[in-house]
Amino acid sequence: DAKTTQPNSMESNEEEPVHLPCNHSTISGTDYIHWYRQLPSQGPEYVIHGLTSNVNNRMASLAIAEDRKSSTLILHRATLRDAAVYYCTSQGGSEKLVFGKGTKLTVNP
Amino acid sequence: DADVTQTPRNRITKTGKRIMLECSQTKGHDRMYWYRQDPGLGLRLIYYSFDVKDINKGEISDGYSVSRQAQAKFSLSLESAIPNQTALYFCATSDSGRGGYTFGSGTRLTVV
Repeated sequence: DAKTTQPNSMESNEEEPVHLPCNHSTISGTDYIHWYRQLPSQGPEYVIHGLTSNVNNRMASLAIAEDRKSSTLILHRATLRDAAVYYCTSQGGSEKLVFGKGTKLTVNP
Repeated sequence: DADVTQTPRNRITKTGKRIMLECSQTKGHDRMYWYRQDPGLGLRLIYYSFDVKDINKGEISDGYSVSRQAQAKFSLSLESAIPNQTALYFCATSDSGRGGYTFGSGTRLTVV
């Protein structure tokens, strides 16, 4: 299972875009990249996942580098409710997710 | 009702006691997982099950056991609880293939 590396923390201002980076240099060609977020006192919540192409959904966009060694989660307009810990994970052949420590996102009003 | 329900939400138990954490899901997913979360350490996988007859150890299975009673139910047991098993425990489910996981709200376990 590939290891992911994320910054410990990031800050953003409300209504501005946020780009959360993730490095996964040991990822294999068939490993999916998943992102989850965890609000205080809650379980992790699925955000988005992808394999090679950029992906969009109602919550966020996922930009995957061409060499797949890194990806970026994009929140287009941060709100105070987006303040959370964001986890980048990979899903390999065993189909189980291995989580790192995540990035704590602070959103300033 | 929540898609993934964990009981109890909070539990305080004494060292040496046996305790069971329960998880049930209404998603119809075949895959179920138990994770443990400690401050500063992220989530670590304890056990996972791809169907009723398939149980697999995760990163930190020592001191834990599981039972998959049905497709919708996956229980985690601590046979003899110890203080360093104090943590937040999360159950999760996923569909076959590479879809997203759905997590429960967690069980906060304190072993004194």
